[in-house]
Amino acid sequence: KAGVTQTPRYLIKTRGQQVTLSCSPISGHRSVSWYQQTPGQGLQFLFEYFSETQRNKGNFPGRFSGRQFSNSRSEMNVSTLELGDSALYLCASSPGQGDTGELFFGEGSRLTVL
Amino acid sequence: AQSVAQPEDQVNVAEGNPLTVKCTYSVSGNPYLFWYVQYPNRGLQFLLKYITGDNLVKGSYGFEAEFNKSQTSFHLKKPSALVSDSALYFCAVRDPARGYALNFGKGTSLLVTP
Repeated sequence: KAGVTQTPRYLIKTRGQQVTLSCSPISGHRSVSWYQQTPGQGLQFLFEYFSETQRNKGNFPGRFSGRQFSNSRSEMNVSTLELGDSALYLCASSPGQGDTGELFFGEGSRLTVL
Repeated sequence: AQSVAQPEDQVNVAEGNPLTVKCTYSVSGNPYLFWYVQYPNRGLQFLLKYITGDNLVKGSYGFEAEFNKSQTSFHLKKPSALVSDSALYFCAVRDPARGYALNFGKGTSLLVTP
């Protein structure tokens, strides 16, 4: 069974630009969560999607948004990039219903904002 | 509010010695507790979880963790450390009443020396 796939793995943007990151969950998983990892703040929850609906949201500004498609693939978008958005963005999937919430993580997308 | 604390930024242990990585939690109700490991430039890998039942939980790669409700702790242990265990370890808690978001600790860097 293929794991969680995130693209791109690395990207460099400049302030003010926007970026879209993609995540393909494990086959059969309907929940996709996104986390931001930085040296200073650690791992912070961004949002979770289940069956194309945002089910849970962390404390991030509206510049951070996401969506989920009917095949459970998910994208997150960050608009008007700031230097502080430089981070490793991790996607995780789980069945999303009737399970204990164990998450399966992708390798991450490392975003550098210059 | 649910939270976890990992009081040690770094743990150093000699190969072959037992290791302990500490975690305490704060959550109302019955928590779901997890340990994850992260190798450099990689995503998080699931090690083990406590949902209910026996307080001693066994997981991947010879790791185990002991749930202690009175001390609100969930320490990660391994009887004999390997150099390859050197990595970043995260404790996480999920409040099942609040969806699938995980709250992660800041992480503990484990260094096992030959």
